[in-house]
Amino acid sequence: AQSVTQLGSHVSVSEGALVLLRCNYSSSVPPYLFWYVQYPNQGLQLLLKYTTGATLVKGINGFEAEFKKSETSFHLTKPSAHMSDAAEYFCAVSRTAGNKLTFGGGTRVLVKP
Amino acid sequence: DTAVSQTPKYLVTQMGNDKSIKCEQNLGHDTMYWYKQDSKKFLKIMFSYNNKELIINETVPNRFSPKSPDKAHLNLHINSLELGDSAVYFCASSHSRLRGLGETQYFGPGTRLLVL
Repeated sequence: AQSVTQLGSHVSVSEGALVLLRCNYSSSVPPYLFWYVQYPNQGLQLLLKYTTGATLVKGINGFEAEFKKSETSFHLTKPSAHMSDAAEYFCAVSRTAGNKLTFGGGTRVLVKP
Repeated sequence: DTAVSQTPKYLVTQMGNDKSIKCEQNLGHDTMYWYKQDSKKFLKIMFSYNNKELIINETVPNRFSPKSPDKAHLNLHINSLELGDSAVYFCASSHSRLRGLGETQYFGPGTRLLVL
């Protein structure tokens, strides 16, 4: 079985500050890992994903994440927060039959001016 | 061009009614999904179809019945609606896992269902 834990349901950052969202997973097989963003009243949009290869993955909007197998983590970072980054962020894992995504509980990011 | 579309966007109905949500994708994908997002924003898969064949059926009450008339459409019919069915329902699509690994799922805008 797979599971995902996102530490911190809410994160507040100042504009221009580092954004760090934590994600830890549990998987009996090498996982595929995803970060999605959900803006208010919208669907989910893929930020980035890790399948194989380079463990540092760059995504859209200046976000990146690093897969650390030894720590079973896939934390998401952005060096400088922008007001438009205010949204809900979801970490997810897949590698099971049917390609189903198992999501973490989500982290809401608030950006202060 | 909307890649994954859902209708309706909002649905308000009474307990006990039957309702349907429609989903269409124009991405040429052959796998489609339904996810439920509850009031605490928790997302969980309900169903998945690959080329019109049901491949994932999580522990969902049998009041929920998906139907895929073709690989571009996946509809969700809900019978005897209950208060606990109030949620946001997301449709998603992707290429089949047979094409590659870790295929990205593309999500629709969601259908906000409120059962009174």
